Amino acid sequence: LAKTTQPPSMEAYEGQEVNVSCSHTNIATSEYIYWYRQVPHQGPQFIIQGYKDYVVNEVASLFISADRKLSTLSLPWVSLRDAAVYYCIVTDRSSGSWQLIFGSGTQLTVMP
Amino acid sequence: NSKVIQTPRYLVKGQGQKAKMRCIPEKGHPVVFWYQQNKNNEFKFLINFQNQEVLQQIDMTEKRFSAECPSNSPCSLEIQSSEAGDSALYLCASSLRGEQYFGPGTRLTVL
Repeated sequence: LAKTTQPPSMEAYEGQEVNVSCSHTNIATSEYIYWYRQVPHQGPQFIIQGYKDYVVNEVASLFISADRKLSTLSLPWVSLRDAAVYYCIVTDRSSGSWQLIFGSGTQLTVMP
Repeated sequence: NSKVIQTPRYLVKGQGQKAKMRCIPEKGHPVVFWYQQNKNNEFKFLINFQNQEVLQQIDMTEKRFSAECPSNSPCSLEIQSSEAGDSALYLCASSLRGEQYFGPGTRLTVL
């Protein structure tokens, strides 16, 4: 069972900033937060990971609330290529097996 | 961008036939995962390896599915006797430190 809750869908226009929220109210102290996205006919693509506070890379930024129960993936200046299903996953990578448990994700539609 | 290679991209088998797919993980990644994504886009973890050793696998994998990751050879996932319900996208992922990098998948259709 997925440990996260995300909105099922979002829409945005090209050039907008998009913020995708994820609730993980039962996150354990040993768990990290990962974001992936998947476009049709491809495997999921790793976007960003974090444990607490704020993380940024060349693709996105990730804000994690102080109690770690909520995270927000921020995509600046979305383009049509950012249309995908976005998955928020929490997992304990210290266990050695750290399988990913995917939920339903958030379908992001980008309009021209 | 992921450098995980999966072959073949598409596989069509009749019920009862063997289905075998292969995965070359990213160089230097010791951990390999196999997942199944069904037509409803639901993911199911099947098995993972660290180097050549199985770390974890689900019951389904133990019965009709077999997998291995021999040294210096591609990893493989084989279904001994395919069933219609096995039709899905089979994803291989590799990992070094935690984040997993996925290949494009093998789309299995069982007629």
